[in-house]
Amino acid sequence: DAGVIQSPRHEVTEMGQEVTLRCKPISGHNSLFWYRQTMMRGLELLIYFNNNVPIDDSGMPEDRFSAKMPNASFSTLKIQPSEPRDSAVYFCASSSRTGSEQYFGPGTRLTVT
Amino acid sequence: GDSVTQMEGPVTLSEEAFLTINCTYTATGYPSLFWYVQYPGEGLQLLLKATKADDKGSNKGFEATYRKETTSFHLEKGSVQVSDSAVYFCALKDAGGTSYGKLTFGQGTILTVHP
Repeated sequence: DAGVIQSPRHEVTEMGQEVTLRCKPISGHNSLFWYRQTMMRGLELLIYFNNNVPIDDSGMPEDRFSAKMPNASFSTLKIQPSEPRDSAVYFCASSSRTGSEQYFGPGTRLTVT
Repeated sequence: GDSVTQMEGPVTLSEEAFLTINCTYTATGYPSLFWYVQYPGEGLQLLLKATKADDKGSNKGFEATYRKETTSFHLEKGSVQVSDSAVYFCALKDAGGTSYGKLTFGQGTILTVHP
């Protein structure tokens, strides 16, 4: 079975540009999570979706960040405009039901210059 | 709020050495506890878990025991291999503060094992 798929794996962009990260959860999973990993702050939960509905977005750092889940098999995390401090690895994870084990994707390494 | 504290790394060991990575937590109620492993260039993978006090989680030679009295969940392995080189994360899942069981992670410990 395919795991969580994320694209792109690496993204380099200039400050001020829009960045869109993509995630395809494991088929049949109804919970989806976006995390950000940095050396300074470790692994932080940005947003959690259940059945395509955002349930907890308290971790989204500011209005420049937005996330959508238009259907059960696709989610995006958008940063507009991007800033150098957004440089991090962004992970998507999914789980089959509320509270069960989360399966992580390989991550997208974002570099904003 | 909930928090997880791991021993600072990096940890460097020779093959077949004994490994301990300390983890302590602060939480209300009775959380579930986890160890995740992240190999270079990959996402996190669940290594082991324990859902109640005195439970021992184990997998691939790694073990950790849920100690409620000391609020700890230390990771141990009797004989490490080069292939164990990775970043290890301790995490807790709250028991009721959020209905979906939000995961809170420690800062991660880098383990390097030399031949």
